[in-house]
Amino acid sequence: DIQMTQSPSSLSASVGDRVTITCRASQSISSFLNWYQKKPGKAPNLLIYGASSLHSGVPSRFSGSGSGTDFTLTITSLQPEDFATYYCQQTYSSPFIFGGGTKVEIK
Amino acid sequence: EVQLVESGGGLVQPGGSLRLSCAASGFTFNKYEMNWVRQAPGKGLEWVSYISSRSTTIYYADSVKGRFTISKDNAKDSLYLQMNSLRAEDTAIYYCARVSGAAGDPLDYWGQGTLVTVSS
Repeated sequence: DIQMTQSPSSLSASVGDRVTITCRASQSISSFLNWYQKKPGKAPNLLIYGASSLHSGVPSRFSGSGSGTDFTLTITSLQPEDFATYYCQQTYSSPFIFGGGTKVEIK
Repeated sequence: EVQLVESGGGLVQPGGSLRLSCAASGFTFNKYEMNWVRQAPGKGLEWVSYISSRSTTIYYADSVKGRFTISKDNAKDSLYLQMNSLRAEDTAIYYCARVSGAAGDPLDYWGQGTLVTVSS
């Protein structure tokens, strides 16, 4: 099975900060990597698909990059509504594992 | 408007069974692959199961294999998860999610979730 290692597990940042979250796959998954935002009591929301494509309606301050085994989610100029937990997920092969999550908290 | 509405959650004793349903609307259900994803209290997202558009391909997480069964009724626009031999560690909010046809096969629409509690 492919393992997904997400880092950091949590971070503190201020409004306006640039935030970078990484996700590493235990083997190549091409670009079958997606990013989700999860807030308490709400369903997850798709942010980035295919490693770097912005999902419809998602603000352009979110971006994704990478291919193969190393991937990055970047939030430029963090906004108050961005404080949440972020997850990567590989959809290259079953089981379609999620990363452990990164909780973005207010500094 | 795409909508996914889960139902069927509740309190069940260890070893018991429960059947979750996910009613889909606003899209051509028979053309889409679907997944179940869960989140235990205080934990991260855990992928549970996948089913292809016409149910020809099915996958399960090792943690539920042999106990859970995913199914899809395209005539009723509904997705199901039959959960047997339930354990305390199956306690979670269960979400159904649609697989987009876009690159990377992302989950683009999710239901609001249904809570399953396994406890005596």
